[in-house]
This record gives sequence, structure tokens and C-alpha cells, in this order.
Amino acid sequence: SQQGEEDPQALSIQEGENATMNCSYKTSINNLQWYRQNSGRGLVHLILIRSNEREKHSGRLRVTLDTSKKSSSLLITASRAADTASYFCATDVGNDMRFGAGTRLTVKP
Amino acid sequence: GAGVSQTPSNKVTEKGKYVELRCDPISGHTALYWYRQSLGQGPEFLIYFQGTGAADDSGLPNDRFFAVRPEGSVSTLKIQRTERGDSAVYLCASSLTGLRTDTQYFGPGTRLTVL
Repeated sequence: SQQGEEDPQALSIQEGENATMNCSYKTSINNLQWYRQNSGRGLVHLILIRSNEREKHSGRLRVTLDTSKKSSSLLITASRAADTASYFCATDVGNDMRFGAGTRLTVKP
Repeated sequence: GAGVSQTPSNKVTEKGKYVELRCDPISGHTALYWYRQSLGQGPEFLIYFQGTGAADDSGLPNDRFFAVRPEGSVSTLKIQRTERGDSAVYLCASSLTGLRTDTQYFGPGTRLTVL
């Protein structure tokens, strides 16, 4: 079963704009991770945020975590056409991760 | 510096047949994971190996699915009596130690189509 839900399901923006994706989850977590997937194949790890952290940055990525609301957001600033992909949040459940259904981001040049 | 590799990249089979999907993890990674991803969905956990043993197989949907990792490296996912509903991309990932904070590195997946 899937743990997280991303919102929106799809997002289309112009190059240079910022993209914000949200993730909600159901049970308590230790960590939350964001992954990116191109063309429905392998996933690439973007960033991990621990439950005791509220915000984390990596390059053009900014992730926030609100454990009281069981939600996280991923912000991509100054988007590029190459950012077009599906983005998934994943939360740890026991020894493994549970993924949401993802947000499909399209960045138009 | 090879990443996780999976073979075959595509597999087409007929309903009722047996298939094996192979995963070669990153050298030295002790943890290995199998996921299944249906169209428009996120990856769904199947099984997790720590070394040679299946530490968590709670995601396997039924007893037609089985996975092995006999030497703690390469893993094979085996599906018996395939059904059309088994059609999906099967993803493998490995991580260095299996700790929750470890990054999982994913392979490109095997696209299984059951006709």
C-alpha cells in the first residue's frame, strides 16, 4: 500500500518559474525522502529530511517538513526544461520505503 | 563505477509462464530492495534483503512471487504462473547498509508485459 500522496498530480510551468509540490503521509516517520523519475524508469534520490528537521536545501531544491500536519513540500526554484520529470516523496515504514503516486512536472522552455 | 543494473530491460511473456528478473546491485551494498511500479503510480515495495536473507518480504503480493539473493550480491525475482495483472516495471535498488537514512540507488527497471 502507498503511504504518501503528492499534490498536485500534475504541474505545468514555464522555464524560470518556481515549482512547488506537496506530500502528505499517514503514519509517523523517521525520515522523508524525495525522488525524481524520468520516463517511468529508474529513480534518482534528491534529498532526505529527518523528522527533527523542518527545512533543508540542496542547490535549487528546498524541502520543508511539518510533522504535526504530516506533510512535506518540495520547491524547485528557477526551473529548467530538464527538470521535467515525476517527483515522488517516500517515507520510511520499518525497513523499507513507501512512495506516493507522484507529481508529474512539465517545464516548458 | 557501475550503478545498479537490471536484466532484461524488457520482458514479454504469456499468461501462465514463469519469469525471472535479475538485479545486480552496486558492489559492496549489503541492502537490496525490489519494487513494482504500475503505470501512473509510485513504486510499491515488494521485498528487502540484508545480505543473503530476506529481512522483510511483506510486500510480496502472493506466493507466486519469490526472490533470492544466495551470495548476498545478485538477486533474482521469480514470478510463477504469471497473470496479466503482473504487468509493471520492476525496480531494484541497493543501499550501502540498509539504514533508514541510507540513499537507495535504483536500477533502470525491467518492464514486464504479460499477454
